[in-house]
Amino acid sequence: AQKITQTQPGMFVQEKEAVTLDCTYDTSDQSYGLFWYKQPSSGEMIFLIYQGSYDEQNATEGRYSLNFQKARKSANLVISASQLGDSAMYFCAMREGMAGNQFYFGTGTSLTVIP
Amino acid sequence: GAVVSQHPSRVICKSGTSVKIECRSLDFQATTMFWYRQFPKKSLMLMATSNEGSKATYEQGVEKDKFLINHASLTLSTLTVTSAHPEDSSFYICSARARGGRDQPQHFGDGTRLSIL
Repeated sequence: AQKITQTQPGMFVQEKEAVTLDCTYDTSDQSYGLFWYKQPSSGEMIFLIYQGSYDEQNATEGRYSLNFQKARKSANLVISASQLGDSAMYFCAMREGMAGNQFYFGTGTSLTVIP
Repeated sequence: GAVVSQHPSRVICKSGTSVKIECRSLDFQATTMFWYRQFPKKSLMLMATSNEGSKATYEQGVEKDKFLINHASLTLSTLTVTSAHPEDSSFYICSARARGGRDQPQHFGDGTRLSIL
């Protein structure tokens, strides 16, 4: 089974609107971490936000928030007030394992912000 | 924020050449570094994980004699693609994780586009 599933290969959003990028995960670990990264066309990977499995509150970082629903094993990224510069690939990732060296990426969602 | 430098950013070379890619953490000590390969419009594929001072752990299907990884210090890891062939052409990207536990995010280099002619 896929560890991380991102079902939206491509998404479009109007500038200044909010958008939700879906991510579901599969793990039997009690302790794990969830990450979102942004990859612009230039290729670099930019860390956006982190959610630990024991964190009770949803993580927020500026315009990014993570809608963490543990029972459903979902960790959706919400981008508020979209900007043209948000157009990029977005990857959901999960850390599991005691050493934290088991790290899995989803297949990514390509987000295009329309002016 | 944490900075990871990857060099070179682009390499074009002939088949049979060995290519070395460097990954440096500039403002933190990286106990663990990761090497990924990414095909166009695809996700990152983990190739190997290296911890400072110990041998790298390779993912299944990755040839350790082909992709040599050295993590000689807390700020430097290198990936050497030995006797590269056109099928090795890809985007290679490293990441580093600081001390402080497994939930430290990985910080990525800018990647290396490798083209083998």
